[in-house]
Amino acid sequence: EVQLVESGGGLVQPGGSLRLSCAASGFTFSSYNMNWVRQAPGKGLEWVSYISSSSSTIDYADSVKGRFTISRDNAKNSLYLQMNSLRAEDTAVYYCARAGPHYYYYMDVWGKGTTVTVSS
Amino acid sequence: QSVLTQPPSVSAAPGQKVTISCSGSSSNIGNNYVSWYQQLPGTAPKLLIYENNQRPSGIPDRFSGSKSGTSATLGITGLQTGDEADYYCGTWDSSLSGVVFGGGTKLTVL
Repeated sequence: EVQLVESGGGLVQPGGSLRLSCAASGFTFSSYNMNWVRQAPGKGLEWVSYISSSSSTIDYADSVKGRFTISRDNAKNSLYLQMNSLRAEDTAVYYCARAGPHYYYYMDVWGKGTTVTVSS
Repeated sequence: QSVLTQPPSVSAAPGQKVTISCSGSSSNIGNNYVSWYQQLPGTAPKLLIYENNQRPSGIPDRFSGSKSGTSATLGITGLQTGDEADYYCGTWDSSLSGVVFGGGTKLTVL
């Protein structure tokens, strides 16, 4: 079964850091591009970051550029999101999502998400 | 304010048909493929449509997608109470160099 499982969320103070992880299984992780997408409480979906299968292409939403870093370890079938200088507006459920095989900007598999709360 | 514009809510009776619109511009929908996602209450989003009108395996043909110019539409026929969810459109925006989503549409099956 194709599966993505996020972890690492929690409560953090403004200005703090957190590292999210996403464990992939049931497919050849190294062959797929990956994304992080977030959803603030009661709000819609917001794309956060993208990384290609070989890590050669990385992109970020303007709202997180310079503060968040996406990375992956294909040997460990894992995706990461290092989040620094966190703000209250970063509070959200963070989803790990696989980019579809036909083109890079849609997501065909989603994890259940991990919740990040930024508050003092 | 989302780059892609969707109606906040739509409703219809069981068994009926509903359409959800997604309006954009030439920098996004006009020159890129559109995808649609279903988010049931308390769950993660699920891909319904990609490449404007393609359904992944396992998605029933009650769900359909279309695109014309800078707008896209999701159609759902034979509505069921289990279809009550939030629906999002998404695509690439060349000006923003990133994936953009609509604000979401809440479907109520009366």
